[in-house]
Amino acid sequence: NAGVTQTPKFQVLKTGQSMTLQCAQDMNHEYMSWYRQDPGMGLRLIHYSVGAGITDQGEVPNGYNVSRSTTEDFPLRLLSAAPSQTSVYFCASSTPPGGIYNEQFFGPGTRLTVL
Amino acid sequence: AQSVTQPDIHITVSEGASLELRCNYSYGATPYLFWYVQSPGQGLQLLLKYFSGDTLVQGIKGFEAEFKRSQSSFNLRKPSVHWSDAAEYFCVVSGGSYIPTFGRGTSLIVHP
Repeated sequence: NAGVTQTPKFQVLKTGQSMTLQCAQDMNHEYMSWYRQDPGMGLRLIHYSVGAGITDQGEVPNGYNVSRSTTEDFPLRLLSAAPSQTSVYFCASSTPPGGIYNEQFFGPGTRLTVL
Repeated sequence: AQSVTQPDIHITVSEGASLELRCNYSYGATPYLFWYVQSPGQGLQLLLKYFSGDTLVQGIKGFEAEFKRSQSSFNLRKPSVHWSDAAEYFCVVSGGSYIPTFGRGTSLIVHP
């Protein structure tokens, strides 16, 4: 049971380049989400998904796309990287929010630098 | 709208001393409250959570938190801190929606 995995761990991009951050979970969780973490800002939700084929925007969705073709995978795409997207990105999965057993499981993160 | 305030950016304690990290929330009804810990270079791990019932909740690693509705607080406590507790701590509020709100975090520094 690997939990939530993310690749790559580190990435450096030039402004304007595109890339995909990968996220996978093996806990059969319906709910998955992407956050970015910036110093002094806590974690902010980018996009989330409540099941395969269903995605929605979080607090800071601009410049990012997601899709959810399977329960296990939830990739995050940067369409045209900008220096403001330099951050640490975390993927999380959980049981549906609001339930007594609700807990988010986080991946180890991807540190992205955009030059 | 929900919000979370962690008023302390940094907290420094000596090993063996007691610890209290503050968290204040804003939410119209009974919230779902969480504390997560992030060790350096790692992802986040759940310490404990409150949904309803007993207002004093026990978590992992010897941590506990008390929900006080009258003060809109959910402070995290530990009676004796270990050097391995040095980390970033996040208070999170959720109204059962899909968009939880994270506090900005409190960095715990432990002196030997």
